[in-house]
Amino acid sequence: GAVVSQHPSWVICKSGTSVKIECRSLDFQATTMFWYRQFPKQSLMLMATSNEGSKATYEQGVEKDKFLINHASLTLSTLTVTSAHPEDSSFYICSASPRLAVYEQYFGPGTRLTVT
Amino acid sequence: KQEVTQIPAALSVPEGENLVLNCSFTDSAIYNLQWFRQDPGKGLTSLLLIQSSQREQTSGRLNASLDKSSGRSTLYIAASQPGDSATYLCAVSGAGSYQLTFGKGTKLSVIP
Repeated sequence: GAVVSQHPSWVICKSGTSVKIECRSLDFQATTMFWYRQFPKQSLMLMATSNEGSKATYEQGVEKDKFLINHASLTLSTLTVTSAHPEDSSFYICSASPRLAVYEQYFGPGTRLTVT
Repeated sequence: KQEVTQIPAALSVPEGENLVLNCSFTDSAIYNLQWFRQDPGKGLTSLLLIQSSQREQTSGRLNASLDKSSGRSTLYIAASQPGDSATYLCAVSGAGSYQLTFGKGTKLSVIP
């Protein structure tokens, strides 16, 4: 149980275009989902926290107009990187907390984004 | 602001050896501490979760301890195997918050 999927697993896009990454909780309802970014040889850095049906809370230094997060249902959150640039190339990982166990997080497999 | 440090950054051991990975955190007011495993280019696999009221957790060859007052945790791996080669991440969640703060990880290589 407690499986989280991400789609796509990897994506290459051209500079200036937008790309959407999906995060789904497959067998539980997730009140809260988190989006992290991981650069090579670095740790995971929290980008934003999203609660179903409300606006996401972004960490300091993360541009909310560039990284659009939508958490429209209890099983799906999306991250859209708008006007992507090469410096946005990174590994993006989502996690989800079950509605009945908000202090637990289950992580997706990650999405490798390369912007050319 | 919580900071999590992991030492060493990398570790190479021969197969069969027992080893210890270290994690320290600056704010002892945590809710829980987790150890994760990350394989190259992959997501995170949760290994052990220790609640702030607990001292240790065990799963198979893994044992994690927590000393909240000193801000330290250790992950002990017994009889290491080549399949244990991965990066091990330590993360803490603060009291009253379910956000996780991660360390940079320890990259473990177990040599056959």
